[in-house]
Parts: sequence; C-alpha cells; structure tokens
Amino acid sequence: EDQVTQSPEALRLQEGESSSLNCSYTVSGLRGLFWYRQDPGKGPEFLFTLYSAGEEKEKERLKATLTKKESFLHITAPKPEDSATYLCAVQGPTQGGSEKLVFGKGTKLTVNP
Amino acid sequence: GAGVSQSPSNKVTEKGKDVELRCDPISGHTALYWYRQSLGQGLEFLIYFQGNSAPDKSGLPSDRFSAERTGGSVSTLTIQRTQQEDSAVYLCASSLVPDSTEAFFGQGTRLTVV
Repeated sequence: EDQVTQSPEALRLQEGESSSLNCSYTVSGLRGLFWYRQDPGKGPEFLFTLYSAGEEKEKERLKATLTKKESFLHITAPKPEDSATYLCAVQGPTQGGSEKLVFGKGTKLTVNP
Repeated sequence: GAGVSQSPSNKVTEKGKDVELRCDPISGHTALYWYRQSLGQGLEFLIYFQGNSAPDKSGLPSDRFSAERTGGSVSTLTIQRTQQEDSAVYLCASSLVPDSTEAFFGQGTRLTVV
C-alpha cells in the first residue's frame, strides 16, 4: 500500500530563516510526486510535480527535490505570506485506470515577521 | 468558469438525512476527482472519473456513498443516511488529461452531520 509521511507536523520560522520540509514515501513504481500548498478554508494549490530521482524544481522561494525514498521542499528566506500547510502526494502505477493521489497529512508552516 | 466550483460551501445536516454535493470542473477538463479531508487527516481519495465513467471507485467508504458525472462535466457526490463520521471537507479536483500532473482543486464543501 502506498504511504506518505510528512515531517515535521508543524514548523515555526522567523522571516528570513530558511528550512526544509520532508516527505518520505513508499510506493511501488512512482509515477509522480506532488507538492501542494493549502491555506485555511481553501482547496490545495498545485506547486510542483517531480518524476524521477535527482529532479529539482523551483518557484520563487521554494525548491523541491526528489530521491528514491523522499522529497524535500526547501524554503529560502521565507516571508509571512509563505505560511500555509504544505501537502505532499504520490501517484503510483496505473491499476485499473486509477489516477488517484495518496496524500500525507501535511506540514503546517508558520512564518513570523 | 475560471476554476473548480463546489456547492454548497457549507452544509449542516441531521444524522440519517441524504445530502448531495456538487462539483463544476474547469471547462474541458476530462478527469475529475473527489477527496475527503477530515480534521487532522490527510486528503483521502474517494473516486476518479474519466469522462462520465469511473474507473476507480475504490475510495468510497461504504455503499452509502455514490457519485455520478454527466455530460463529462458536472459531478454529484451523494451520501445517503449520513452519519457523524461523514463530517469532513469534501474536495473536488479536475485535470486536463487523465494522468495530468496538475489537478486544480475547488474550495471544498464542509459537511457537518449533527
């Protein structure tokens, strides 16, 4: 069974204090690893998809990396507006036409000014 | 529309009543997904539509849950004889192609069963 574990559950940073969020996964045949951002009361907002170990993607202050067992979301010099819950999800092999994502529980990031 | 639209945004219902949740995907998106998000839990997959057919219904928790999609567009998730454990935020997402790497989510419907 595909599993995703995110750590830490919550993270508090000072503005400008860089850090990383971790997503460990178990999946038989990874087709894609996804990062989403979710603000309170809203649906998840797509950030990145990574497909293979060694791949990296960047967007503003965020950079996502992927290994065979985990992904990291690096946040460089965060600002208060980066405060949100960050969700990681994996997509395993197509079985019976399934395209479902398996999500972790998320990391709640708070950036204090 | 500009994004995925879900209605109602909030629904309070009495235990034992039936509810219908609606999802309007982004125009042209062939794939549609329903997820459930309970307090303190990750998003839980419910069902996936490709066009009007549902290749994967494996996440529906019980036979009280059903969903349909018509015209390759609007989808309705129906929960019969609601129970308190059905209380959650129900999220709908759509993507342009089946294996799209970018699924767009709606705001969700917060369901409270009292």
